[in-house]
Amino acid sequence: AQTVTQSQPEMSVQEAETVTLSCTYDTSESDYYLFWYKQPPSRQMILVIRQEAYKQQNATENRFSVNFQKAAKSFSLKISDSQLGDAAMYFCAYLQGAQKLVFGQGTRLTINP
Amino acid sequence: EAGVTQFPSHSVIEKGQTVTLRCDPISGHDNLYWYRRVMGKEIKFLLHFVKESKQDESGMPNNRFLAERTGGTYSTLKVQPAELEDSGVYFCASSQGGNHLSEQYFGPGTRLTVT
Repeated sequence: AQTVTQSQPEMSVQEAETVTLSCTYDTSESDYYLFWYKQPPSRQMILVIRQEAYKQQNATENRFSVNFQKAAKSFSLKISDSQLGDAAMYFCAYLQGAQKLVFGQGTRLTINP
Repeated sequence: EAGVTQFPSHSVIEKGQTVTLRCDPISGHDNLYWYRRVMGKEIKFLLHFVKESKQDESGMPNNRFLAERTGGTYSTLKVQPAELEDSGVYFCASSQGGNHLSEQYFGPGTRLTVT
């Protein structure tokens, strides 16, 4: 079974600085999809960024980018120019069977003003 | 466009009681998913509906959990009788399609506390 591991329960960063959240996963499949979701306090979880495993190019969405290392089964999220609104729980997820998401334990990110 | 809504936002019940959680997906979304996060652990998949049919219920913990989606619109998740280990946050998500191209939109979750 696929597993997703986020080894950092909590992270903090100064406003305007850059922070990287780690995620590793385990799978025997060759084609799959990876996601980072963000859940702000008391709000809904939203998709931040997605990566198709067959694409070598790392996905980027404005200030959010990933470092996808397929051989190492690593999928980290980099947030540049951190803003107060980036404070949230961040979940790394793997799409299994094209339908159900397998999540990591989450990383709580705090932004220090 | 209204997002995924869940009711109630928080429920506190005693062990042995019954609780029913409701999820209203985004209009037109045929796919509906239930997930839950037990305190401090990862979010785990419970089941997936396509319209009114259960496509995958491999994540349902035991027969105390019953999910329905009559008419293919809203869904309910009933826990009967509730146990202490059922405490956690129950998330519902919906998507238009059922493949990797269809983003799953999540509701705010229902926090269930069993005492």
